[in-house]
Amino acid sequence: RKEVEQDPGPFNVPEGATVAFNCTYSNSASQSFFWYRQDCRKEPKLLMSVYSSGNEDGRFTAQLNRASQYISLLIRDSKLSDSATYLCVVRGNTDKLIFGTGTRLQVFP
Amino acid sequence: GAVVSQHPSWVICKSGTSVKIECRSLDFQATTMFWYRQFPKQSLMLMATSNEGSKATYEQGVEKDKFLINHASLTLSTLTVTSAHPEDSSFYICSARDHGFTGGANTEAFFGQGTRLTVV
Repeated sequence: RKEVEQDPGPFNVPEGATVAFNCTYSNSASQSFFWYRQDCRKEPKLLMSVYSSGNEDGRFTAQLNRASQYISLLIRDSKLSDSATYLCVVRGNTDKLIFGTGTRLQVFP
Repeated sequence: GAVVSQHPSWVICKSGTSVKIECRSLDFQATTMFWYRQFPKQSLMLMATSNEGSKATYEQGVEKDKFLINHASLTLSTLTVTSAHPEDSSFYICSARDHGFTGGANTEAFFGQGTRLTVV
């Protein structure tokens, strides 16, 4: 079983739609959780950290369920510029980041 | 914010030659840097952890004699792909975290721009 699992997609949604991505992780000792965004042929960039209480940043909402070892990302009012691959990332009790395979999002006009 | 610079951004080399990739933290000191590899349509896979002043720690299945890592200073780590073969063609990315920043466990990791290696 992979340490971090995501649905690879692609998710094809129209502008203005709401889309949700899910992620599960296998190591219950994981301490930190993130969503990164990666554009084609570019390095990953931090979208947001994920906190147990859930957190929101503009159109983006992230939630963490430690009991189920489940992380989610909700994007509201999708824009064309949101088209990218969204990486679920988990950090254990070391500095290592473990990446999911990513979920590809394509927003169309 | 903290910046990590990686060089070169792309390189084409002949099979059997060696290629060196540099990763620099520009405005912070990084005692630890990480090297990842990403094949097309796959996730980033951690190759090794580069430790300043000591030997790198390699992940299972990564050949330490093929992927030489040197972390001679607090701002520079290098990855050398020795005797490169076409199957080594990939996207190599380094990352580092600013341990001087008191953001705790949720402190962001910064990534270099990546190096696209093509071995012909």
